[in-house]
Amino acid sequence: SQQGEEDPQALSIQEGENATMNCSYKTSINNLQWYRQNSGRGLVHLILIRSNEREKHSGRLRVTLDTSKKSSSLLITASRAADTASYFCATDRGDDKIIFGKGTRLHILP
Amino acid sequence: DVKVTQSSRYLVKRTGEKVFLECVQDMDHENMFWYRQDPGLGLRLIYFSYDVKMKEKGDIPEGYSVSREKKERFSLILESASTNQTSMYLCASSSISGRWADTQYFGPGTRLTVL
Repeated sequence: SQQGEEDPQALSIQEGENATMNCSYKTSINNLQWYRQNSGRGLVHLILIRSNEREKHSGRLRVTLDTSKKSSSLLITASRAADTASYFCATDRGDDKIIFGKGTRLHILP
Repeated sequence: DVKVTQSSRYLVKRTGEKVFLECVQDMDHENMFWYRQDPGLGLRLIYFSYDVKMKEKGDIPEGYSVSREKKERFSLILESASTNQTSMYLCASSSISGRWADTQYFGPGTRLTVL
């Protein structure tokens, strides 16, 4: 089944640096979403990018989508301590359901 | 803002007990979902409902059932809890999007421990 796989599994960076996470998937998609999960909490939607879009911005977030490579990246610029969380990509299954990857754990060091 | 609430943040039950997890959303969403989240396995879909009294099995429905008597409420039922159902349970809702899966809005999660 198609599934987003995030890379790296874990990432530690200094506060103020940029963080980049990648997601690869196996089959064609209609859209791809990124979610954030703070420790022990529910997921929060960050951004949705459709298959006909190549780049999308939201505040300090930048998402790119390369359908030819079946990959997406999430860039967080000027990271803050509050960005410490797990980040998941999710791809649609051709209906109203989505499949989540296993996530990247991001840790921002003070 | 969409609000999805779950009845408990933490729950401890005994093996064999019947367990009810409740989820309520306030945005008149048609779709509601139950996931479980386990370390190393990510989120896995248990059940999905796209309308009142309608339900569809997800990837791991065994040992679970669901109920959706009202549009805003989606309940997950563990008929006879077992230790391997110890997990974080997440409820989500979304509106019908037509061709594409839309944004899902999540509750805070219920961490269930079965002893």
